[in-house]
Amino acid sequence: DAGITQSPRHKVTETGTPVTLRCHQTENHRYMYWYRQDPGHGLRLIHYSYGVKDTDKGEVSDGYSVSRSKTEDFLLTLESATSSQTSVYFCAISESWGDAGDGYTFGSGTRLTVV
Amino acid sequence: AQTVTQSQPEMSVQEAETVTLSCTYDTSESDYYLFWYKQPPSRQMILVIRQEAYKQQNATENRFSVNFQKAAKSFSLKISDSQLGDAAMYFCAYRSANAGGTSYGKLTFGQGTILTVHP
Repeated sequence: DAGITQSPRHKVTETGTPVTLRCHQTENHRYMYWYRQDPGHGLRLIHYSYGVKDTDKGEVSDGYSVSRSKTEDFLLTLESATSSQTSVYFCAISESWGDAGDGYTFGSGTRLTVV
Repeated sequence: AQTVTQSQPEMSVQEAETVTLSCTYDTSESDYYLFWYKQPPSRQMILVIRQEAYKQQNATENRFSVNFQKAAKSFSLKISDSQLGDAAMYFCAYRSANAGGTSYGKLTFGQGTILTVHP
């Protein structure tokens, strides 16, 4: 989507290797999120950020870490990839937290396959 | 924690007909927002419609409308005059507006419903 890009779009990696996915935004939004999408589960929150260097865990954070050193970049790292982390990963941004009720803006996703 | 359930894994509709996608949610909160997102094969997540829980009036966006039943915790999406371009996965989502809650601000999604439109 305009204003938010994810890289790479596709990636195949081997079990046990580290993987970093990047999310970059040009909207200057404060809040950023990483979700994973799996059949039968919809999208589930992995980690989120509410400012530079301010991050917190979501409901499926085990095996993942994040970093946000600049407003525009939010990195998701799989320290040692496992087959259960094969998924489509979405980054999202929002201008407000909960009070304005705006829906997120999503990136176009990264399809990660761990073999 | 809130949960969102979409009980219809797949739905189909004839072009120009009307279809309704179901969504129920579980929450103890009174302030929240509900959303429907569309995900076409391109994988892009597109916001279709939004509903504020404090509003009794159902939201409408062109051919898309919702039936929001707060007491029943139901939030269905009606697509009128279905078009081939409506074929996609549809997700229902909940966002807490309760500043004191642990779920505040985060989107919780249902499992999704795949909509097929037949010409």
